[in-house]
Amino acid sequence: EVQLVQSGAEVKKPGESLKISCETSGYSFTNYWIGWVRQMPGKGLEWMAIIYPGDSDIKYNPSFQGQVTISADNSISTAYLQWSSLEASDTAIYYCARHAGGSSHGPLKYWGQGTLVTVSS
Amino acid sequence: EIVLTQSPGTLSLSPGERVTLSCRASQSVSSSYLAWYQQKRGQAPRLLIYDASSRATGIPDRFSGSGSGTDFTLTISRLEPEDFAVYYCQQCGSSPYTFGQGTNLEIK
Repeated sequence: EVQLVQSGAEVKKPGESLKISCETSGYSFTNYWIGWVRQMPGKGLEWMAIIYPGDSDIKYNPSFQGQVTISADNSISTAYLQWSSLEASDTAIYYCARHAGGSSHGPLKYWGQGTLVTVSS
Repeated sequence: EIVLTQSPGTLSLSPGERVTLSCRASQSVSSSYLAWYQQKRGQAPRLLIYDASSRATGIPDRFSGSGSGTDFTLTISRLEPEDFAVYYCQQCGSSPYTFGQGTNLEIK
């Protein structure tokens, strides 16, 4: 059974750094694209970035490039999303999600439970 | 970047009714890499339809998708109480793999 388990909720202050995680199991981590989707309070879904752990190929949404960094640790089948300096506007739920097949063109078939990030002074 | 526009924004219907949701792309979606998701309050999205018309595993056959190019639709043939939720389309043909803004399907 494919599972994506995300790290817990975070409360941070503006300017702080943060790294959230998505621990996967039940499939070969290096063979599928995995990425992150943002949902701001009361708003829709926004595609942020994906990574192919097999060769570390990365695709960013230009709206998020430079603002976040996606990475993966193949030894523990875990994907990450990190910020070097958070802003209040980063307050949102962040979902990790895995593409259905080996191509990035496949849909997001498996989803984590979401990580709530709150940034407030 | 491909912009997806969903309509209507909100729809109020009763159980048993038929509904069609629209997703229009600003440019052609290659190879019909268009997916539909359902999101209920407080839950992660769930994949319903991929490649414009293929149902995901375990999705009831009252859900169907169609379309190609720039115009896509999701149809629910007969609404069940559990179908009232927000529905999103997403294109996976051209990075960034954008989502539509969502259609909120609410009980009348």
